[in-house]
Amino acid sequence: GQQLNQSPQSMFIQEGEDVSMNCTSSSIFNTWLWYKQDPGEGPVLLIALYKAGELTSNGRLTAQFGITRKDSFLNISASIPSDVGIYFCAGQLRETSGSRLTFGEGTQLTVNP
Amino acid sequence: ETGVTQTPRHLVMGMTNKKSLKCEQHLGHNAMYWYKQSAKKPLELMFVYNFKEQTENNSVPSRFSPECPNSSHLFLHLHTLQPEDSALYLCASSQADLAGGEGEQYFGPGTRLTVT
Repeated sequence: GQQLNQSPQSMFIQEGEDVSMNCTSSSIFNTWLWYKQDPGEGPVLLIALYKAGELTSNGRLTAQFGITRKDSFLNISASIPSDVGIYFCAGQLRETSGSRLTFGEGTQLTVNP
Repeated sequence: ETGVTQTPRHLVMGMTNKKSLKCEQHLGHNAMYWYKQSAKKPLELMFVYNFKEQTENNSVPSRFSPECPNSSHLFLHLHTLQPEDSALYLCASSQADLAGGEGEQYFGPGTRLTVT
């Protein structure tokens, strides 16, 4: 089956720093999603990407769909304490009947004030 | 109510109890999912329902029994659980296309289950 490698597993940064995390896949996707999960809550969809090379922003967040269709990255600029949480990537090949989302293992982000 | 709601938010149960988790989606979606999230582990897909029909059961033990009476409601019936079943149980919904391909999944807040 498809595998997603998400890195880094955890990050400890100072408030105001920029953050970058990425996901790589063993096979191609045509949809990449990025979620954030706050402690004790469910994941919330941050950004959805549908086209190779696509670069999409949501406030201080920017995500890109890799040209090879096997990777995606998420950048957070000027981090603030409320950015703390677990960030998940998810990929899907939607043309396939019954295609499922495949989730990465998450990046735990800690922001020190 | 908006989005995906789950009740209860917290549940403590003994190994001999029977309880049910409830999920309701207010997004007009046609697919619903149950996930298990244990500490320091990735999300584990348990069950998928498309158009109220179960389309996936990821080798989940029979002590977990899902029920989908309509496209807006999803239940997870629990009985004779084990302590290792303690986890956050997440419900999600999406708009699947006719070929069964999923759209973006929207999650509920989860039920934190503790089995004693």
